[in-house]
Amino acid sequence: DAGITQSPRYKITETGRQVTLMCHQTWSHSYMFWYRQDLGHGLRLIYYSAAADITDKGEVPDGYVVSRSKTENFPLTLESATRSQTSVYFCASTPTSRYTEAFFGQGTRLTVV
Amino acid sequence: AQSVAQPEDQVNVAEGNPLTVKCTYSVSGNPYLFWYVQYPNRGLQFLLKYITGDNLVKGSYGFEAEFNKSQTSFHLKKPSALVSDSALYFCAVRDVSGGYQKVTFGIGTKLQVIP
Repeated sequence: DAGITQSPRYKITETGRQVTLMCHQTWSHSYMFWYRQDLGHGLRLIYYSAAADITDKGEVPDGYVVSRSKTENFPLTLESATRSQTSVYFCASTPTSRYTEAFFGQGTRLTVV
Repeated sequence: AQSVAQPEDQVNVAEGNPLTVKCTYSVSGNPYLFWYVQYPNRGLQFLLKYITGDNLVKGSYGFEAEFNKSQTSFHLKKPSALVSDSALYFCAVRDVSGGYQKVTFGIGTKLQVIP
């Protein structure tokens, strides 16, 4: 299907475990982003990527790792999950950095117990 | 540092009545302004944007927003609310000189349209 898809949609994991959230887009957009959405904070940028093999930190990168070996995929890994990382995670993409709006995936609801 | 304020956590409006969702912003240069909508268990969907030109911007689903530079506001409006408009609305801003990674989102306003 065309668009941007995230998997899984829901995930429960234990404190200390590694977990990877997947993001796949079919538009060949250069820029991809990971946000977390928390009550009272709106959306905060975790990491972004300008192209394959180019990534950079956003506002709240601690505890997260990203990679981008292919243009269409941008996985987000929590190396050792903590309860504070319980959140809804959104992946987004834009054709270029200067493009005005982004296209969002449906989100992954992650619960760390 | 740039910022966005959505002063109302929730807005309740009767179906058929006009609605307004407020947004004010702070940015060092000229702004790009956006409204997104999030329906339950869905990602954010783009509604409309202000880049330059006419201060009244029209977007999807009958929504519009008015850019007011002197009041640094970008309020979202619709003349007649529908129950299906009930959702979470986000205002966002970035400086025109910055890339999309520089977008700042507000905390969101829940719109409840009452039948």
